[in-house]
Amino acid sequence: DTAVSQTPKYLVTQMGNDKSIKCEQNLGHDTMYWYKQDSKKFLKIMFSYNNKELIINETVPNRFSPKSPDKAHLNLHINSLELGDSAVYFCASGALGGSNYGYTFGSGTRLTVV
Amino acid sequence: EDQVTQSPEALRLQEGESSSLNCSYTVSGLRGLFWYRQDPGKGPEFLFTLYSAGEEKEKERLKATLTKKESFLHITAPKPEDSATYLCAVQAYSNYQLIWGAGTKLIIKP
Repeated sequence: DTAVSQTPKYLVTQMGNDKSIKCEQNLGHDTMYWYKQDSKKFLKIMFSYNNKELIINETVPNRFSPKSPDKAHLNLHINSLELGDSAVYFCASGALGGSNYGYTFGSGTRLTVV
Repeated sequence: EDQVTQSPEALRLQEGESSSLNCSYTVSGLRGLFWYRQDPGKGPEFLFTLYSAGEEKEKERLKATLTKKESFLHITAPKPEDSATYLCAVQAYSNYQLIWGAGTKLIIKP
């Protein structure tokens, strides 16, 4: 039973294309996150949704648009992909603020833009 | 500005050789400090949350401690399966974001 599952695991696409990454959690958490991990391994928050409401929207290009149809799903759509978007994107879920149990992360989507 | 610095960047140990990883932080009002483990090709896995200076938490060969400026992750008699990148993150009372360090890559040689 995968707690946080994201698809696809690998995504190779050309510049200018539009792509989506899907995320689902079966932990009953009310908050979900999208993180970007660059080549230096820094994790940067992109978006956070609490009960389908956007609560964190960091400075990311508006080509990135999250969508949360319900509190178990948070998808990420990226328009007009650029070379600099290449990274590993992680979905996570948890209680708002982390708490004693931290966040549960998905296994990541490695996006390569060529 | 809230900031997290982890050292060393990489640490190679022989199996059984104990050591410590450091996480120094600057945050305006610490709500919590988190330790995670990340294996290659996987997402970070939660280990501990520490809330106040003097607090300690243990899990198998790992023990995390916290002061007002830094946290240590002590690893006692490590095994090769402890090899991973260990990430530290802090959270301030002012918002719900986690500020992450770049991690320490730990390699345990048999």
